[in-house]
Amino acid sequence: EAQVTQNPRYLITVTGKKLTVTCSQNMNHEYMSWYRQDPGLGLRQIYYSMNVEVTDKGDVPEGYKVSRKEKRNFPLILESPSPNQTSLYFCASSPWGRSGANVLTFGAGSRLTVL
Amino acid sequence: GESVGLHLPTLSVQEGDNSIINCAYSNSASDYFIWYKQESGKGPQFIIDIRSNMDKRQGQRVTVLLNKTVKHLSLQIAATQPGDSAVYFCAENMGGATNKLIFGTGTLLAVQP
Repeated sequence: EAQVTQNPRYLITVTGKKLTVTCSQNMNHEYMSWYRQDPGLGLRQIYYSMNVEVTDKGDVPEGYKVSRKEKRNFPLILESPSPNQTSLYFCASSPWGRSGANVLTFGAGSRLTVL
Repeated sequence: GESVGLHLPTLSVQEGDNSIINCAYSNSASDYFIWYKQESGKGPQFIIDIRSNMDKRQGQRVTVLLNKTVKHLSLQIAATQPGDSAVYFCAENMGGATNKLIFGTGTLLAVQP
């Protein structure tokens, strides 16, 4: 089944304890992206990657890191989490190309709470 | 499920009625406009898109209308069913080198049986 898999689905952690949210897709998509979703703010892009070893900042990159060493994986790293990073996170992927980019496939989401 | 419905405008319709969800966009230069559906506890799912040179596009039970004069986009769902209950997001493709999607804040559609 074509899908984006992210883990963990739920995580409660404490301020300053490094964590990684993994994301993997099995559709051979070039484009991958991380979003956070907060009530009233919709989906905001954190980082994106147009291909292996190519990553760039989205709208809210502060406090996050990413890497794209393989086409299928795009982990999100919080080096020193803070309470304002408590949110619902989504990884997504799509084929490259003007209309292909419209069809993002999203993971099921990772609910992160930072105490 | 996840509480993504908080603070959202809500449209409540009776099962079997038609639904119209509206969205205002900001960028006149956007290439494409897209609708996503997010059910409780799940990630958003692509529904339909429309290119900026079109004003109407139909899918299965859904129609998207684009009015570039007033920068308005709407999603019409025919014969709304309980399974249509979800948060609906519009998005615009900014084009350029990144094809970045900018999402709206969403509308909660509640279908009453």
